[in-house]
Amino acid sequence: AQSVTQLGSHVSVSEGALVLLRCNYSSSVPPYLFWYVQYPNQGLQLLLKYTTGATLVKGINGFEAEFKKSETSFHLTKPSAHMSDAAEYFCAVSENSSASKIIFGSGTRLSIRP
Amino acid sequence: NAGVTQTPKFQVLKTGQSMTLQCAQDMNHNSMYWYRQDPGMGLRLIYYSASEGTTDKGEVPNGYNVSRLNKREFSLRLESAAPSQTSVYFCASRGGDTSNQPQHFGDGTRLSIL
Repeated sequence: AQSVTQLGSHVSVSEGALVLLRCNYSSSVPPYLFWYVQYPNQGLQLLLKYTTGATLVKGINGFEAEFKKSETSFHLTKPSAHMSDAAEYFCAVSENSSASKIIFGSGTRLSIRP
Repeated sequence: NAGVTQTPKFQVLKTGQSMTLQCAQDMNHNSMYWYRQDPGMGLRLIYYSASEGTTDKGEVPNGYNVSRLNKREFSLRLESAAPSQTSVYFCASRGGDTSNQPQHFGDGTRLSIL
C-alpha cells in the first residue's frame, strides 16, 4: 500500500535562506510523486510532479524536487526563501497503475522570518 | 477558467441535520474526489469516482454518501451530521487515463457541526 511521510509539521526559515521540506514515500510499484502548496483559505495548487525521466524536477515559484529511488525520498527545495512562500506544503503519491487514488502526507507548514 | 467549483463555501449545521455539498468541474475530467482536511492530519480521502457511473470508498467513508450525477458533478451527502464531521471539505478532479496526472482542487467548503 502507498503511504507518504512528511518530516516536520512546521519549518521556519529566514527570508533568503534555503528551504528544505522532506518527503518519504512507500509504494510497491514505481510511483508518481507530487508536491502541492496551499495558501490560507484556498485549495491546493500543484507545484511540481515527478512521473518518469529526469529525477530533478523543476516547478513553479523557483521550487524543485529530486526523486531518489534508493532513499524513497522526494524532498522539496528552494535556494532562497521569499515571504510569499509562507504556506502549507503537501507531498502526495500515486501508484503507476490503473488505480485512481492519490495519497497525501500530513503537510508541512512553512514560515518565513523577516 | 472556473476549474473546480464547490458550493457552499461555508455552512453551519446542527447535530443530526443533513446536507449535500456540491462539486462541479468544467475540465472534462474522468475522476473526481472528496477529501476532508483536519489540522495535523493532511487530506484524507472520503470517496472517489474514477469515472462516470462508479464510486469507491476512500480512507474515511463512514457517515458520508456520494453521487456522481454526471461527468461534471460529484456530490457529497451527510445524512445525519455529527460534530466529528466538522472539517474543511475539498473536491478535486483529475484528467487523463493514467495515474501521472495531478489533481485540480476547489477552494473548499468549511463546515461546522454544532
